[in-house]
Amino acid sequence: SQQGEEDPQALSIQEGENATMNCSYKTSINNLQWYRQNSGRGLVHLILIRSNEREKHSGRLRVTLDTSKKSSSLLITASRAADTASYFCATVLIQGAQKLVFGQGTRLTINP
Amino acid sequence: DTGVSQDPRHKITKRGQNVTFRCDPISEHNRLYWYRQTLGQGPEFLTYFQNEAQLEKSRLLSDRFSAERPKGSFSTLEIQRTEQGDSAMYLCASSLVETGPQETQYFGPGTRLLVL
Repeated sequence: SQQGEEDPQALSIQEGENATMNCSYKTSINNLQWYRQNSGRGLVHLILIRSNEREKHSGRLRVTLDTSKKSSSLLITASRAADTASYFCATVLIQGAQKLVFGQGTRLTINP
Repeated sequence: DTGVSQDPRHKITKRGQNVTFRCDPISEHNRLYWYRQTLGQGPEFLTYFQNEAQLEKSRLLSDRFSAERPKGSFSTLEIQRTEQGDSAMYLCASSLVETGPQETQYFGPGTRLLVL
């Protein structure tokens, strides 16, 4: 079963606007990662945030993590048409194998 | 660095046939993972290897599924007696485990399976 839930399931915005996606999870984690997937393709790793970190930046991406609320958010600033994709959060649990447990994803559409 | 490659990229088969997929990880990576993704869902873990040892299998991996990584390099995933419910994208990922659990998994392009 999947641990994470992304919100919203779909998001459509104009180019240049900021896009925010949220992820909630259920059990204690070691780290949380965000991935992007273009239609019918493999996943591209975007950013990893450890459980003892609260915020991380990478280019136009900003990720926050609130372990007390078991939630994370991904902010994409100044969106571009090329950002159109599905975005998944994935958690690595504290115990067990270092497998990724994915949410259902947010489908982001950037309108030119 | 050629990345993770998977072969074939697409496979159409009839119900009851056997299929085999191959994954070539990034060359120095010691961990290799298989995931399955159905339409509109996130990937789900199937199994993983550290070097040639298969360390965990999901309960999603029925007896009809078998995975190998004989020399700790490439891996194969075989599905016997395919069923229509096996139709999905099969994703392979690899990682280099050096410093504990903060590993990044690099995904291949996937093999899309359609069972008729």
